Amino acid sequence: SQTIHQWPATLVQPVGSPLSLECTVEGTSNPNLYWYRQAAGRGLQLLFYSVGIGQISSEVPQNLSASRPQDRQFILSSKKLLLSDSGFYLCAWSPSGTATDTQYFGPGTRLTVL
Amino acid sequence: GQNIDQPTEMTATEGAIVQINCTYQTSGFNGLFWYQQHAGEAPTFLSYNVLDGLEEKGRFSSFLSRSKGYSYLLLKELQMKDSASYLCAVRWNNAGNMLTFGGGTRLMVKP
Repeated sequence: SQTIHQWPATLVQPVGSPLSLECTVEGTSNPNLYWYRQAAGRGLQLLFYSVGIGQISSEVPQNLSASRPQDRQFILSSKKLLLSDSGFYLCAWSPSGTATDTQYFGPGTRLTVL
Repeated sequence: GQNIDQPTEMTATEGAIVQINCTYQTSGFNGLFWYQQHAGEAPTFLSYNVLDGLEEKGRFSSFLSRSKGYSYLLLKELQMKDSASYLCAVRWNNAGNMLTFGGGTRLMVKP
Protein backbone atom coordinates (compact mmCIF):
# COMPACT_ATOMS: atom_id res chain seq x y z
CA SER A 1 0.00 0.00 0.00
CA GLN A 2 1.03 3.58 -0.52
CA THR A 3 2.14 5.87 2.29
CA ILE A 4 3.16 9.49 2.36
CA HIS A 5 5.49 11.04 4.91
CA GLN A 6 6.24 14.62 5.82
CA TRP A 7 8.80 16.11 8.17
CA PRO A 8 9.19 17.85 10.36
CA ALA A 9 5.74 17.65 11.97
CA THR A 10 6.09 21.07 13.58
CA LEU A 11 8.52 23.91 13.10
CA VAL A 12 9.06 27.31 14.68
CA GLN A 13 11.31 29.63 12.71
CA PRO A 14 12.29 33.31 12.96
CA VAL A 15 11.45 35.77 10.22
CA GLY A 16 14.17 35.84 7.59
CA SER A 17 15.41 32.30 8.21
CA PRO A 18 15.47 29.60 5.51
CA LEU A 19 13.01 26.73 5.22
CA SER A 20 13.11 23.19 3.95
CA LEU A 21 10.15 20.83 4.23
CA GLU A 22 10.35 17.32 2.88
CA CYS A 23 7.74 14.94 1.54
CA THR A 24 8.28 11.36 0.42
CA VAL A 25 5.89 8.78 -0.99
CA GLU A 26 6.27 5.00 -0.76
CA GLY A 27 4.58 2.18 -2.62
CA THR A 28 4.01 3.88 -5.96
CA SER A 29 6.02 5.18 -8.87
CA ASN A 30 5.79 8.37 -10.91
CA PRO A 31 3.14 9.96 -8.69
CA ASN A 32 1.79 13.46 -9.18
CA LEU A 33 2.89 15.51 -6.17
CA TYR A 34 1.40 18.66 -4.66
CA TRP A 35 2.20 21.23 -1.97
CA TYR A 36 -0.69 23.05 -0.28
CA ARG A 37 -0.82 25.65 2.46
CA GLN A 38 -3.72 26.06 4.85
CA ALA A 39 -3.91 29.20 6.96
CA ALA A 40 -5.71 28.93 10.30
CA GLY A 41 -9.44 28.33 9.72
CA ARG A 42 -9.08 28.61 5.96
CA GLY A 43 -9.24 26.38 2.91
CA LEU A 44 -6.39 24.73 1.05
CA GLN A 45 -4.28 26.82 -1.29
CA LEU A 46 -2.32 24.96 -3.95
CA LEU A 47 1.30 26.16 -4.04
CA PHE A 48 3.14 23.78 -6.36
CA TYR A 49 2.39 20.79 -8.53
CA SER A 50 4.75 18.24 -10.12
CA VAL A 51 4.15 15.50 -12.69
CA GLY A 52 7.73 14.21 -12.72
CA ILE A 53 11.35 14.68 -11.66
CA GLY A 54 12.41 18.27 -12.17
CA GLN A 55 8.96 19.33 -13.40
CA ILE A 56 7.41 21.96 -11.14
CA SER A 57 4.38 24.17 -11.76
CA SER A 58 3.90 27.17 -9.48
CA GLU A 59 0.38 28.29 -8.76
CA VAL A 60 0.97 31.27 -6.50
CA PRO A 61 3.87 33.74 -6.86
CA GLN A 62 5.62 34.11 -3.50
CA ASN A 63 8.91 33.61 -1.72
CA LEU A 64 8.58 29.82 -1.73
CA SER A 65 10.05 27.32 -4.19
CA ALA A 66 9.73 23.60 -4.74
CA SER A 67 11.98 20.89 -6.11
CA ARG A 68 11.62 17.24 -7.01
CA PRO A 69 15.09 15.70 -6.99
CA GLN A 70 13.81 12.13 -7.02
CA ASP A 71 10.65 10.43 -8.29
CA ARG A 72 9.03 10.17 -4.87
CA GLN A 73 10.57 13.15 -3.08
CA PHE A 74 9.14 16.66 -3.06
CA ILE A 75 10.77 19.54 -1.20
CA LEU A 76 9.38 22.95 -0.30
CA SER A 77 11.92 25.69 0.38
CA SER A 78 12.33 29.33 1.18
CA LYS A 79 15.43 31.48 1.45
CA LYS A 80 13.84 34.01 3.81
CA LEU A 81 10.62 33.33 5.69
CA LEU A 82 7.93 35.95 6.16
CA LEU A 83 5.38 36.15 8.98
CA SER A 84 2.69 35.42 6.41
CA ASP A 85 4.32 32.05 5.66
CA SER A 86 2.93 30.62 8.89
CA GLY A 87 0.42 27.85 8.30
CA PHE A 88 -0.21 24.16 7.89
CA TYR A 89 1.72 22.76 4.92
CA LEU A 90 0.33 19.67 3.32
CA CYS A 91 1.91 17.43 0.73
CA ALA A 92 -0.35 15.22 -1.38
CA TRP A 93 0.07 12.62 -4.09
CA SER A 94 -2.17 11.20 -6.78
CA PRO A 95 -1.60 8.30 -9.14
CA SER A 96 -0.65 9.34 -12.63
CA GLY A 97 -2.66 8.17 -15.63
CA THR A 98 -5.88 7.31 -13.76
CA ALA A 99 -9.41 8.60 -14.28
CA THR A 100 -10.23 9.79 -10.79
CA ASP A 101 -6.82 11.21 -9.77
CA THR A 102 -7.83 11.23 -6.11
CA GLN A 103 -5.31 13.13 -4.03
CA TYR A 104 -4.08 11.63 -0.76
CA PHE A 105 -2.56 13.85 1.87
CA GLY A 106 0.42 13.51 4.15
CA PRO A 107 0.22 14.31 7.88
CA GLY A 108 1.33 17.92 7.35
CA THR A 109 3.87 20.31 8.83
CA ARG A 110 2.71 23.09 11.11
CA LEU A 111 4.98 26.10 10.57
CA THR A 112 5.03 29.10 12.87
CA VAL A 113 7.12 32.10 11.82
CA LEU A 114 7.90 34.50 14.67
CA GLY B 1 -13.34 32.59 -11.73
CA GLN B 2 -13.83 29.11 -10.29
CA ASN B 3 -15.59 29.89 -7.03
CA ILE B 4 -16.63 27.04 -4.81
CA ASP B 5 -19.09 27.92 -2.07
CA GLN B 6 -19.87 26.02 1.12
CA PRO B 7 -21.43 27.13 4.40
CA THR B 8 -18.77 28.11 6.92
CA GLU B 9 -20.25 26.33 9.93
CA MET B 10 -23.05 23.91 10.76
CA THR B 11 -24.27 22.37 13.99
CA ALA B 12 -26.18 19.11 14.33
CA THR B 13 -27.23 16.67 17.04
CA GLU B 14 -25.79 13.22 17.63
CA GLY B 15 -27.87 10.58 15.84
CA ALA B 16 -29.37 13.07 13.39
CA ILE B 17 -28.81 13.60 9.66
CA VAL B 18 -26.98 16.61 8.23
CA GLN B 19 -26.56 17.78 4.64
CA ILE B 20 -23.56 19.92 3.66
CA ASN B 21 -23.99 21.76 0.37
CA CYS B 22 -21.40 22.83 -2.16
CA THR B 23 -21.99 24.96 -5.25
CA TYR B 24 -19.57 25.68 -8.07
CA GLN B 25 -19.41 27.21 -11.53
CA THR B 26 -20.46 24.60 -14.08
CA SER B 27 -18.17 25.64 -16.93
CA GLY B 28 -15.30 23.18 -17.36
CA PHE B 29 -16.38 20.87 -14.53
CA ASN B 30 -14.61 17.49 -14.48
CA GLY B 31 -15.24 15.90 -11.10
CA LEU B 32 -15.96 16.72 -7.46
CA PHE B 33 -14.33 15.39 -4.29
CA TRP B 34 -15.31 15.50 -0.63
CA TYR B 35 -12.70 15.33 2.12
CA GLN B 36 -12.98 15.18 5.92
CA GLN B 37 -10.47 17.08 8.03
CA HIS B 38 -10.31 16.81 11.80
CA ALA B 39 -8.75 19.75 13.63
CA GLY B 40 -4.97 19.75 13.29
CA GLU B 41 -4.94 16.76 10.95
CA ALA B 42 -4.65 16.18 7.22
CA PRO B 43 -7.71 15.85 4.99
CA THR B 44 -8.88 12.30 4.26
CA PHE B 45 -10.72 11.33 1.10
CA LEU B 46 -14.45 10.59 1.48
CA SER B 47 -16.03 10.48 -1.98
CA TYR B 48 -15.79 11.31 -5.67
CA ASN B 49 -18.60 12.23 -8.07
CA VAL B 50 -18.29 12.89 -11.78
CA LEU B 51 -21.73 11.75 -12.99
CA ASP B 52 -25.13 12.90 -11.75
CA GLY B 53 -26.64 11.01 -8.87
CA LEU B 54 -25.96 9.65 -5.44
CA GLU B 55 -22.87 7.74 -4.28
CA GLU B 56 -23.34 5.92 -1.00
CA LYS B 57 -20.60 4.75 1.37
CA GLY B 58 -21.97 3.56 4.67
CA ARG B 59 -23.23 6.51 6.74
CA PHE B 60 -21.91 9.00 4.16
CA SER B 61 -23.46 9.76 0.77
CA SER B 62 -22.54 12.35 -1.86
CA PHE B 63 -24.82 13.73 -4.53
CA LEU B 64 -24.04 15.61 -7.72
CA SER B 65 -26.10 17.64 -10.19
CA ARG B 66 -23.83 18.85 -12.99
CA SER B 67 -26.46 21.03 -14.64
CA LYS B 68 -27.06 22.91 -11.39
CA GLY B 69 -23.42 23.07 -10.29
CA TYR B 70 -24.43 21.54 -6.99
CA SER B 71 -23.29 18.77 -4.70
CA TYR B 72 -24.08 17.74 -1.17
CA LEU B 73 -22.56 15.45 1.40
CA LEU B 74 -25.10 13.64 3.55
CA LEU B 75 -24.07 12.28 6.93
CA LYS B 76 -26.49 9.92 8.66
CA GLU B 77 -26.62 8.69 12.26
CA LEU B 78 -24.22 11.40 13.32
CA GLN B 79 -21.56 10.53 15.86
CA MET B 80 -19.46 12.85 17.98
CA LYS B 81 -16.39 11.82 15.97
CA ASP B 82 -17.99 13.31 12.85
CA SER B 83 -17.19 16.77 14.23
CA ALA B 84 -14.71 18.00 11.64
CA SER B 85 -14.36 20.25 8.62
CA TYR B 86 -15.69 18.94 5.33
CA LEU B 87 -13.95 20.17 2.20
CA CYS B 88 -15.48 20.26 -1.26
CA ALA B 89 -12.97 20.25 -4.15
CA VAL B 90 -13.51 20.49 -7.90
CA ARG B 91 -11.34 19.37 -10.80
CA TRP B 92 -11.61 21.45 -13.96
CA ASN B 93 -11.10 20.40 -17.57
CA ASN B 94 -8.31 22.89 -18.22
CA ALA B 95 -6.38 22.26 -15.01
CA GLY B 96 -4.97 18.77 -15.45
CA ASN B 97 -4.97 16.92 -12.15
CA MET B 98 -5.25 19.99 -9.97
CA LEU B 99 -8.11 20.58 -7.57
CA THR B 100 -9.67 23.81 -6.37
CA PHE B 101 -10.87 23.59 -2.77
CA GLY B 102 -13.74 25.39 -1.13
CA GLY B 103 -13.20 27.01 2.24
CA GLY B 104 -14.63 24.01 4.07
CA THR B 105 -17.64 23.56 6.34
CA ARG B 106 -16.94 23.15 10.03
CA LEU B 107 -19.46 20.69 11.47
CA MET B 108 -20.05 20.54 15.20
CA VAL B 109 -21.97 17.53 16.50
CA LYS B 110 -23.58 18.06 19.90
CA PRO B 111 -24.89 15.42 22.31
